[in-house]
Amino acid sequence: DAKTTQPNSMESNEEEPVHLPCNHSTISGTDYIHWYRQLPSQGPEYVIHGLTSNVNNRMASLAIAEDRKSSTLILHRATLRDAAVYYCILRVNTGTASKLTFGTGTRLQVTL
Amino acid sequence: DTGVSQDPRHKITKRGQNVTFRCDPISEHNRLYWYRQTLGQGPEFLTYFQNEAQLEKSRLLSDRFSAERPKGSFSTLEIQRTEQGDSAMYLCASSPQGTALTKNIQYFGAGTRLSVL
Repeated sequence: DAKTTQPNSMESNEEEPVHLPCNHSTISGTDYIHWYRQLPSQGPEYVIHGLTSNVNNRMASLAIAEDRKSSTLILHRATLRDAAVYYCILRVNTGTASKLTFGTGTRLQVTL
Repeated sequence: DTGVSQDPRHKITKRGQNVTFRCDPISEHNRLYWYRQTLGQGPEFLTYFQNEAQLEKSRLLSDRFSAERPKGSFSTLEIQRTEQGDSAMYLCASSPQGTALTKNIQYFGAGTRLSVL
């Protein structure tokens, strides 16, 4: 899998938007961009994924650069429950399932 | 709760002992994965089953590790002759056959934390 680069940590105030960046300059045309997050003492949780177009769901938005070499996960209004490690992962969506290759992610701290 | 269930949540053992962990995936998910996570790192892939067939194993899975999924439902991960370096969180995930959109989403359990003394 192609490599992703994320900041080690970020801080946000509660109720404010958070933009979590991810660089993936070696992304291939068939790689989807997936985001998972891991809350303390829990397993990772799927957040969102996309290929080329920006994506929205109830948890977050994913903004993908036109050249696809970077993306940004957007939490529109951070809450204390959003404090977690956020992982940006590239994988090929083929007919067969494949493993997830996690990096060290971005630890998001949310303060009052 | 119909999520992925792992048992036990915590296991403390002495070096050299054997341990076995169990994972119950979400009902009707035919794909099951095991990962290992050490402190400060992201999860690392260990092995993957589609139904009862073990289709991929990581080089991390030494000969002391064995995983089974005998009936294509629950899975067990056994570690023989445990070493202190085996101390980690062991995570299980499952995914459905589903559509192109859903089948590549993995649902994780809360993990089994292993401490080898």
